[in-house]
Amino acid sequence: DGGITQSPKYLFRKEGQNVTLSCEQNLNHDAMYWYRQDPGQGLRLIYYSQIVNDFQKGDIAEGYSVSREKKESFPLTVTSAQKNPTAFYLCASSIPGTGRTGNTIYFGEGSWLTVV
Amino acid sequence: GEDVEQSLFLSVREGDSSVINCTYTDSSSTYLYWYKQEPGAGLQLLTYIFSNMDMKQDQRLTVLLNKKDKHLSLRIADTQTGDSAIYFCAERYNQGGKLIFGQGTELSVKP
Repeated sequence: DGGITQSPKYLFRKEGQNVTLSCEQNLNHDAMYWYRQDPGQGLRLIYYSQIVNDFQKGDIAEGYSVSREKKESFPLTVTSAQKNPTAFYLCASSIPGTGRTGNTIYFGEGSWLTVV
Repeated sequence: GEDVEQSLFLSVREGDSSVINCTYTDSSSTYLYWYKQEPGAGLQLLTYIFSNMDMKQDQRLTVLLNKKDKHLSLRIADTQTGDSAIYFCAERYNQGGKLIFGQGTELSVKP
């Protein structure tokens, strides 16, 4: 089945550690995104990538890093510089463009990160 | 700037209609979306509307778009307990194609 797979579903991090969240898609989408969700708030964009080997910072990129070496993969690293990393992280993908193509953005099932 | 706003809570009785409202700021947005999120899950795309449309209907869902007032609504007819979830409105920002989300409206359906 085509879709977006995020792993792990639940992750615990100790203070000062870096952790990496995996996101893989087999939809042949060029664009991929990482969002963070906190209780009572909407989704906030961390990083996005329109094409392989290229990515841009979103609204809350500080303390995070990404790579886009393959079309189907867009891993997110939460570094020790991120002071409040406990949240629900959502990966998404789409066909890029200005919207005229009528494309939509599809989401994975999310990963819960908790700092212990 | 980019901003999407929604009310946080809505409670209805089973069988009634639900109307979830949203306002947005980017007049150049080409697509507006409604997503549904059940507890602990990702976002499920419900429907979307192109900015040159006023209305779109899809089974029990009706989307109304007032582009002049930058107001979007989602009407769910014959609301069921399975419709209880958080509903997010989002606009597609033209630069980079990223989505800007509202805070989400928690819909509670009482039997």
